[in-house]
Amino acid sequence: SQKIEQNSEALNIQEGKTATLTCNYTNYSPAYLQWYRQDPGRGPVFLLLIRENEKEKRKERLKVTFDTTLKQSLFHITASQPADSATYLCALDLFYGGSQGNLIFGKGTKLSVKP
Amino acid sequence: EPEVTQTPSHQVTQMGQEVILRCVPISNHLYFYWYRQILGQKVEFLVSFYNNEISEKSEIFDDQFSVERPDGSNFTLKIRSTKLEDSAMYFCASSARAGGTGELFFGEGSRLTVL
Repeated sequence: SQKIEQNSEALNIQEGKTATLTCNYTNYSPAYLQWYRQDPGRGPVFLLLIRENEKEKRKERLKVTFDTTLKQSLFHITASQPADSATYLCALDLFYGGSQGNLIFGKGTKLSVKP
Repeated sequence: EPEVTQTPSHQVTQMGQEVILRCVPISNHLYFYWYRQILGQKVEFLVSFYNNEISEKSEIFDDQFSVERPDGSNFTLKIRSTKLEDSAMYFCASSARAGGTGELFFGEGSRLTVL
């Protein structure tokens, strides 16, 4: 079955630096891969979606890459701020080709940005 | 901005009792989901619902669970006879598009504590 691994449970960086989070998956490459942000005690909030035929996607200070050869997605936050501190979740389709939005989530990487 | 609302925010129940968690998805969305997150663990898919029927369910979603859309706005998750291990945060989500093709909008969750 498909498994997702996010590189580390916690990542600490200094304000202003670029945070890079990694998401690796096994087995098939999904048609879509998504990134969410989750604050403590809150529901996940969608950030970015990237398709298998897209190498890179950007939104303001966020950038996502998708390498189906490496079976990996990288999520970058440039010019990080303390307000970016949260847990970031990688999610992809449970079944190839996309089923009914049955995303499976990685455990997440907790990002702490220190002033 | 439209949002998914969930009630109650926190419910405490005795083992063996029935629990109903309620959700109001975003009004023009067609796809509805329940996920759960045990404290400190990842967000897990339970069930997806489309066109008034279950489209997919996970191994977690056994006979103790059921979902219903009793009217045009509410979407409910019922746990028939709660167990200690059902203690978790339950998230409802909705989306306008199927599969991983579009973002999922999550509610803030209902925390269930089974004693």
